[in-house]
Amino acid sequence: DARVTQTPRHKVTEMGQEVTMRCQPILGHNTVFWYRQTMMQGLELLAYFRNRAPLDDSGMPKDRFSAEMPDATLATLKIQPSEPRDSAVYFCASGTDRGRRETQYFGPGTRLLVL
Amino acid sequence: GDSVTQMEGPVTLSEEAFLTINCTYTATGYPSLFWYVQYPGEGLQLLLKATKADDKGSNKGFEATYRKETTSFHLEKGSVQVSDSAVYFCALTDSGGGADGLTFGKGTHLIIQP
Repeated sequence: DARVTQTPRHKVTEMGQEVTMRCQPILGHNTVFWYRQTMMQGLELLAYFRNRAPLDDSGMPKDRFSAEMPDATLATLKIQPSEPRDSAVYFCASGTDRGRRETQYFGPGTRLLVL
Repeated sequence: GDSVTQMEGPVTLSEEAFLTINCTYTATGYPSLFWYVQYPGEGLQLLLKATKADDKGSNKGFEATYRKETTSFHLEKGSVQVSDSAVYFCALTDSGGGADGLTFGKGTHLIIQP
């Protein structure tokens, strides 16, 4: 049963520290998405990749957030420096771009708390 | 831009009751529509989807029909169970489910009481 995996599942850090979240997409998927979930804003798209190339990161605060795909099996989302307002659950999802019937599959999320 | 509007709840029902969660959307293109479900402490799981007008998505007793004329994709189930308690998200994407980011509604918290 193929699944998207994310690490760490939980992270508590202090303001100003760097945070790195990792995602392993489902093997064979060529699109990867990062979403953030907060009580106030709900689910927001932060960035996404197709064939490891960033296509859209307009939802991401550019000054502190960065997203990369070093290889096809790893996507990373970094926050430097972190702030309390970054506290949220960060989800990674993967899919394919073979057509309109394709689905995005979500990982379990990284719950981030910035003190 | 694209947007999705759904009732936020919480919606509290008794077991075996009929469920409707309303969802309406605005989109510039011809979107695909989705319902995702999130159980406590977990990620989102696809519940059902429809990719063109008049399509009906169905899964686990849940159904939703893509209504272009009313820009709606309401979720229904004839007889809910306690295990259906979760948060339900209506979502759309304008160009295929896997090719572009999803736009989500705020989510509807459903509570089923025995």
